[in-house]
Amino acid sequence: QQQVKQSPQSLIVQKGGISIINCAYENTAFDYFPWYQQFPGKGPALLIAIRPDVSEKKEGRFTISFNKSAKQFSLHIMDSQPGDSATYFCAAKRGSQGNLIFGKGTKLSVKP
Amino acid sequence: NAGVTQTPKFRVLKTGQSMTLLCAQDMNHEYMYWYRQDPGMGLRLIHYSVGEGTTAKGEVPDGYNVSRLKKQNFLLGLESAAPSQTSVYFCASSFLHYEQYFGPGTRLTVT
Repeated sequence: QQQVKQSPQSLIVQKGGISIINCAYENTAFDYFPWYQQFPGKGPALLIAIRPDVSEKKEGRFTISFNKSAKQFSLHIMDSQPGDSATYFCAAKRGSQGNLIFGKGTKLSVKP
Repeated sequence: NAGVTQTPKFRVLKTGQSMTLLCAQDMNHEYMYWYRQDPGMGLRLIHYSVGEGTTAKGEVPDGYNVSRLKKQNFLLGLESAAPSQTSVYFCASSFLHYEQYFGPGTRLTVT
């Protein structure tokens, strides 16, 4: 129940295309769903986050779609660029005291 | 404002040796964390602290100890290193358990 399952493990997208990464969870008590971006040799950094009271959140080319009934959320990167090539982690937490539970990550490569 | 810093950046240990990884943050955050990152395994929480003088176990605490004597520092210790502890270690801090700010990581190899 504490797991967050992320797919795919790796993704190759052409420049200008849409990158889609999916995550699923079981614990209905989770109430905060962030995405982290990690470049090689660096620590992860928060990219965008959503709470379950909204179905979508957009920040520039990055959008989180949230489906509460399906217990799934996804990251969409529009107009993908080579600079977006990184590893992306979804995560979830429960309440103000719960720790973040991370997915296993998706390595995105955007080909020029 | 350096954010979260980690010392050292790289380290090679022999099996059975001990070492301490230092994490420092200048954001006055209450919460600090130690994670390990292994290929295909994502980020796994080792230990965390919700304030000065407090520590708690995470998902994979065995073989590690931590201390939070000062609010800005969080130390991760390996008393007797094993090859299974070869990994990249990340420290993070946060105001609450929400947005976590990560350090640049320490790459540890145990031979």
